[in-house]
Amino acid sequence: QKEVEQNSGPLSVPEGAIASLNCTYSDRGSQSFFWYRQYSGKSPELIMFIYSNGDKEDGRFTAQLNKASQYVSLLIRDSQPSDSATYLCAVNIEPNFGNEKLTFGTGTRLTIIP
Amino acid sequence: DGGITQSPKYLFRKEGQNVTLSCEQNLNHDAMYWYRQDPGQGLRLIYYSQIVNDFQKGDIAEGYSVSREKKESFPLTVTSAQKNPTAFYLCASGRTGEAFFGQGTRLTVV
Repeated sequence: QKEVEQNSGPLSVPEGAIASLNCTYSDRGSQSFFWYRQYSGKSPELIMFIYSNGDKEDGRFTAQLNKASQYVSLLIRDSQPSDSATYLCAVNIEPNFGNEKLTFGTGTRLTIIP
Repeated sequence: DGGITQSPKYLFRKEGQNVTLSCEQNLNHDAMYWYRQDPGQGLRLIYYSQIVNDFQKGDIAEGYSVSREKKESFPLTVTSAQKNPTAFYLCASGRTGEAFFGQGTRLTVV
């Protein structure tokens, strides 16, 4: 089982609709979770992080975490064409005490259709 | 300006040569990471370091080496033992888990 799994997509969403991106992880001890956005040919940029169960909102973005189900998601409301990118889920995994490693999923490619 | 600087942006290597990719940060971050990204793929961890003079192998360390002699610097050497080195290499630094990336280095073997 991969440490961090995402549906690779592509995911197509009409402009103005809600885009929902999902991620599961294997390490029950993971404590911190991140969503990155990567435009084609560019480096990833951090858009959200979440540490506690529940929802965290930042503008049009909402991150949701369910540690019992080992599931983290990202919702994008009022989707815009500029949201078209690959979204990477990342999880901080601690294979040895004090040595956390940030592990990424393969990413979901999102296309917003005008 | 604060940030993470990778150099060069593009690098061409002949087969059998070692090359070193530079990564410098002035954000006072403890953790630094090297990732490799192939076309249409996610990020795979090569090496990571939490403190000076200590580093850990990631998931694909074979054919690569690193050093962490200074907090600000984490260079990556791609050795001739790496059989398929053509890729986009990303360096990141961070605290408390979150990471911020440099602009990346595109390495091509010719």
